[in-house]
Amino acid sequence: GEEVAQTPKHLVRGEGQKAKLYCAPIKGHSYVFWYQQVLKNEFKFLISFQNENVFDETGMPKERFSAKCLPNSPCSLEIQATKLEDSAVYFCASSLSSGANVLTFGAGSRLTVL
Amino acid sequence: AQRVTQPEKLLSVFKGAPVELKCNYSYSGSPELFWYVQYSRQRLQLLLRHISRESIKGFTADLNKGETSFHLKKPFAQEEDSAMYYCALSAQAGTALIFGKGTTLSVSS
Repeated sequence: GEEVAQTPKHLVRGEGQKAKLYCAPIKGHSYVFWYQQVLKNEFKFLISFQNENVFDETGMPKERFSAKCLPNSPCSLEIQATKLEDSAVYFCASSLSSGANVLTFGAGSRLTVL
Repeated sequence: AQRVTQPEKLLSVFKGAPVELKCNYSYSGSPELFWYVQYSRQRLQLLLRHISRESIKGFTADLNKGETSFHLKKPFAQEEDSAMYYCALSAQAGTALIFGKGTTLSVSS
């Protein structure tokens, strides 16, 4: 499709529960990026993929967070044992493989941890 | 370390007034700079990038390497310009964008 599709729109979890978010990039885009935005603050980069391979994971918390982009499936971001501070909007973006690094963003998934 | 600074959290202007949203960056190489905008209840979207040297919706931005700035300007603000504006930097194609904290622009009549 022509839009980056993110699901769910809003996810509510109790502390300690697992959360899983999904992202379908634009068809033909090779790069996928995940960002975390806490309280309408700055966008914190988490991880990026080039096709199904991790491209850059320097922003990914070492514990509890994991992500995948498998062929013919939406990409996913999973948080094990959520904490209150994980409450944020998680944005996914995709871009073409070459040329200017223009990212197209999804609408975001709001995670609320109670 | 790469960093993008937007010193103003909120900028309020009257319709028809000039607007300048400030953006400064730190990066040792040759960056690519962008302005993204998020209107109310809409997705974050690209407004313009320095490499294109274009004017979008009346907005322009010039990369000043000496001052490491990429300020966004519009001579006459419109109410529909009210939105959140983010300045972003990219080191190279395929790498993550580094965002500033954003500036809320409020244009009132």
